[in-house]
Amino acid sequence: GIQVEQSPPDLILQEGANSTLRCNFSDSVNNLQWFHQNPWGQLINLFYIPSGTKQNGRLSATTVATERYSLLYISSSQTTDSGVYFCAVVDYTGANSKLTFGKGITLSVRP
Amino acid sequence: NAGVTQTPKFQVLKTGQSMTLQCAQDMNHEYMSWYRQDPGMGLRLIHYSVGAGITDQGEVPNGYNVSRSTTEDFPLRLLSAAPSQTSVYFCASSVQGGAEAFFGQGTRLTVV
Repeated sequence: GIQVEQSPPDLILQEGANSTLRCNFSDSVNNLQWFHQNPWGQLINLFYIPSGTKQNGRLSATTVATERYSLLYISSSQTTDSGVYFCAVVDYTGANSKLTFGKGITLSVRP
Repeated sequence: NAGVTQTPKFQVLKTGQSMTLQCAQDMNHEYMSWYRQDPGMGLRLIHYSVGAGITDQGEVPNGYNVSRSTTEDFPLRLLSAAPSQTSVYFCASSVQGGAEAFFGQGTRLTVV
């Protein structure tokens, strides 16, 4: 099955700093999503971005499907950005349209 | 704007007990699925449904049953709970398989 790797595994930032989170995947995908799992465990949709670039406030994401990676940019980080960031992909080689998740990137933003 | 609603949020079961985790969505989505999240293993697909009356197994289906009698509801049944089923369970829905998925708030289940 498809493999999803995220880096770095852990990230500590001072409030106000910028960061880039990376997601590499091993095969062609038809769906790529970025999620933020907050400290209460809730999975929050950030981007649905199988290709191209999107922006939402301080966050933006770029997926280069031909090179099999996606980047999530966080600018002017805030303590509320802390949590785990997951990249998840769907490949259509299987019939179940399963989302395959990476192991996540744990982000801690210090005041 | 409820989205995907899961109940209960927390549950403690004794080994051998059965229970049903509820999942409902109000977005008229055809595709619904259940995942479990375990430390170090990420989220794994348990069962999924592409529409009312149609269900199928994911990668970790043993010990779980599902049914889909309506578009809105997709309950997950634990037949005889085991400590290995201690996990956080997430329900998700999307317009169709492969489209943007939306998750419920999760159910934290402990089996003792």
